Amino acid sequence: AQTVTQSQPEMSVQEAETVTLSCTYDTSESDYYLFWYKQPPSRQMILVIRQEAYKQQNATENRFSVNFQKAAKSFSLKISDSQLGDAAMYFCASRFGVPSYDKVIFGPGTSLSVIP
Amino acid sequence: EPEVTQTPSHQVTQMGQEVILRCVPISNHLYFYWYRQILGQKVEFLVSFYNNEISEKSEIFDDQFSVERPDGSNFTLKIRSTKLEDSAMYFCASKELSYNEQFFGPGTRLTVL
Repeated sequence: AQTVTQSQPEMSVQEAETVTLSCTYDTSESDYYLFWYKQPPSRQMILVIRQEAYKQQNATENRFSVNFQKAAKSFSLKISDSQLGDAAMYFCASRFGVPSYDKVIFGPGTSLSVIP
Repeated sequence: EPEVTQTPSHQVTQMGQEVILRCVPISNHLYFYWYRQILGQKVEFLVSFYNNEISEKSEIFDDQFSVERPDGSNFTLKIRSTKLEDSAMYFCASKELSYNEQFFGPGTRLTVL
């Protein structure tokens, strides 16, 4: 079965500090894509960062970076210099397999609070 | 920047009524999806649609659900006879052929009374 797991239901971070959100996944596919989505209180789903499994280099988008450990099937998100606007639900997600129409599988989410 | 749009933003309906949720995907996208998020739970895949037919559907997507692309721009999700447990946020997403990320709309909150 293809699954995405987030073991931290809630996290908090002081403004300007760094926080890491954990994610693990399980798949037998060799070709897949990993994503982190942010869902603020408006509940819109916003793509934060993505990682192609065949790339060894960790993806980075401004203050957001990932630590992709393929052998361990781990895909954590690091948020540096946390801002109040980072407070949201964060979902780790993956598209497993080759067919382009393949669905995205979401983890259960981590609720991030940012303390002023 | 092009974006996926969804209407209405909030729909309230009585149990047993039919609802149609509407989505306008990004214009050059070829793959279309519906997802559902019950309050406090994770986002679940409902159905994918490509080349005017369903590519894949989940066990949630039973005979009460249907999808359609009635013209060149809209993509709709119909629930024939709504149940209380259909209350959820429904997200439409679309994807271009060459990209691997799906772009999500803002969602429609469906409340079934």
